[in-house]
Amino acid sequence: SQTIHQWPATLVQPVGSPLSLECTVEGTSNPNLYWYRQAAGRGLQLLFYSVGIGQISSEVPQNLSASRPQDRQFILSSKKLLLSDSGFYLCAWRGDGPSHEQFFGPGTRLTVL
Amino acid sequence: LAKTTQPISMDSYEGQEVNITCSHNNIATNDYITWYQQFPSQGPRFIIQGYKTKVTNEVASLFIPADRKSSTLSLPRVSLSDTAVYYCLVGGNDYKLSFGAGTTVTVRA
Repeated sequence: SQTIHQWPATLVQPVGSPLSLECTVEGTSNPNLYWYRQAAGRGLQLLFYSVGIGQISSEVPQNLSASRPQDRQFILSSKKLLLSDSGFYLCAWRGDGPSHEQFFGPGTRLTVL
Repeated sequence: LAKTTQPISMDSYEGQEVNITCSHNNIATNDYITWYQQFPSQGPRFIIQGYKTKVTNEVASLFIPADRKSSTLSLPRVSLSDTAVYYCLVGGNDYKLSFGAGTTVTVRA
């Protein structure tokens, strides 16, 4: 069966510090991968999605970037965090079949101070 | 991406049926309608998906009229554990889904 991992689960970082969040998927190949951010009490904002290794599409221009160095690995990064980067970061994957179901990871709670 | 509109919140009591209607007036021919459920501090979980008419699974039913400009998620006999945020999404094979603010459903004893 497929599983999706995210780490760390929680993170507290000072403003201006770098960020690296990692997401890995097991049990499937060539998944479509997504990064979302959810601010407190709000809906999910799609940040990046990837349909293959090295292929990244950005949905919202900001100080975040994403990379996909391996088929089942998706990394979210920042060189300098802002206060507004605080939120709940979710990674998700979806197969290429007819279903549009996305499977979400456990999330990373990021607090920027 | 087709824009969706759904109520911000709904209250219900245990054992009642909850119906959440979502409007998606500019839905495209290839778009599917998908509903997700999210509990606090967890990622959303797929509930049901449909294209037209009615779809039913062990958790919910999805009613889609012929014009497909709206859809209704029906949760039968809700319990306290059904308290969550429910998202209506519309999308096709463009690899992207847009989650709005969702509907916060509160089930009371």
